[in-house]
Amino acid sequence: EDQVTQSPEALRLQEGESSSLNCSYTVSGLRGLFWYRQDPGKGPEFLFTLYSAGEEKEKERLKATLTKKESFLHITAPKPEDSATYLCAVLHSGNTGKLIFGQGTTLQVKP
Amino acid sequence: ETGVTQTPRHLVMGMTNKKSLKCEQHLGHNAMYWYKQSAKKPLELMFVYSLEERVENNSVPSRFSPECPNSSHLFLHLHTLQPEDSALYLCASSPEGQGGYGYTFGSGTRLTVV
Repeated sequence: EDQVTQSPEALRLQEGESSSLNCSYTVSGLRGLFWYRQDPGKGPEFLFTLYSAGEEKEKERLKATLTKKESFLHITAPKPEDSATYLCAVLHSGNTGKLIFGQGTTLQVKP
Repeated sequence: ETGVTQTPRHLVMGMTNKKSLKCEQHLGHNAMYWYKQSAKKPLELMFVYSLEERVENNSVPSRFSPECPNSSHLFLHLHTLQPEDSALYLCASSPEGQGGYGYTFGSGTRLTVV
């Protein structure tokens, strides 16, 4: 059964303090791993898609990496505006296009 | 208007009421989805529509009834809900039923059942 687990559940950082979020996954044949950002009261906003082990994507202070078992979202020198819940999802191995989500990591960056 | 639009943003309903949630996408996507988001739990897939045909119903109680009249519109009809159905209901769309391009989400409808 496809499964996604994110850790930690919550993370508090000081502004400028770099860290990483983890997404461990179990899926029969990875077809895509996705990172989303969700602000309170809003829908998730797409950040990255990774398709194969060794792939990396960057956007401003965020960098996503992928291995055969997990993905990391590295946050370099975060700012308070990076505070949000970060969601990881994998594309289900079937053919209906459904995404299986982890429970998310809520990041708080203090000035 | 572009993106995925959901209405209403907030809804309070009694357990005997009937209401509908609406989702509209202006992205030309072929697939649309309903997800339920409860506190401290992962997003739960409810329904998948591809080219206006329901391709997945993820064991959702019959008090939730989806409708997809065309590829741009998706509804979720609600009746005789329970308090545990209170949650954020999210609509999403993707370019094709395979989901390989990821989803575009709406802002959600915050539902409270009293």
